[in-house]
Amino acid sequence: GAVVSQHPSRVICKSGTSVKIECRSLDFQATTMFWYRQFPKQSLMLMATSNEGSKATYEQGVEKDKFLINHASLTLSTLTVTSAHPEDSSFYICSARNHYRGMNTEAFFGQGTRLTVV
Amino acid sequence: ILNVEQSPQSLHVQEGDSTNFTCSFPSSNFYALHWYRWETAKSPEALFVMTLNGDEKKKGRISATLNTKEGYSYLYIKGSQPEDSATYLCAYQGGKLIFGQGTELSVKP
Repeated sequence: GAVVSQHPSRVICKSGTSVKIECRSLDFQATTMFWYRQFPKQSLMLMATSNEGSKATYEQGVEKDKFLINHASLTLSTLTVTSAHPEDSSFYICSARNHYRGMNTEAFFGQGTRLTVV
Repeated sequence: ILNVEQSPQSLHVQEGDSTNFTCSFPSSNFYALHWYRWETAKSPEALFVMTLNGDEKKKGRISATLNTKEGYSYLYIKGSQPEDSATYLCAYQGGKLIFGQGTELSVKP
């Protein structure tokens, strides 16, 4: 199956600093990638849809200036958590679908990133 | 607000038991229903993507059914094994993927 690689898997940062998370599709071109956040015991919540070569589409309640998304190539999307605060501590995970295979196909996920802001 | 609900939240079974979980989802604007298995420290892995009402899919000991008119899907595991221990996620695709909170399965040897 297709592989999506996400880095880093864990990061601890100081409050006020920024953290960049990378999501790469290794063996297919992903025109669209998705960023999710998961709070303990809750479902994956879609934060934003990352579109190659254009602006990301953010879900209601997600601050676009706080969570910067860049999708500069067909295989790489990045999520930058700017001026991180302890409440940003969470599990972040990306996914991509191979749209060349059609609309109703499975999503491929990265391994996720556990962010802790101290 | 589109809601995807999974039950039960967690399940503990003995090796060899058969088990099933439920996913309920909106019946409007339906494109597909996805099932994923998520093992600890790994990426969620797709099990099935189902699109047609009445559809049944099978992969080894795992199977799933779909009822789009009433908005539910069942996932069945026959003869559970310890390696089946994972969180099972369903996701409703009506444009974006909206996930349920998952069913955490633990299979004791």
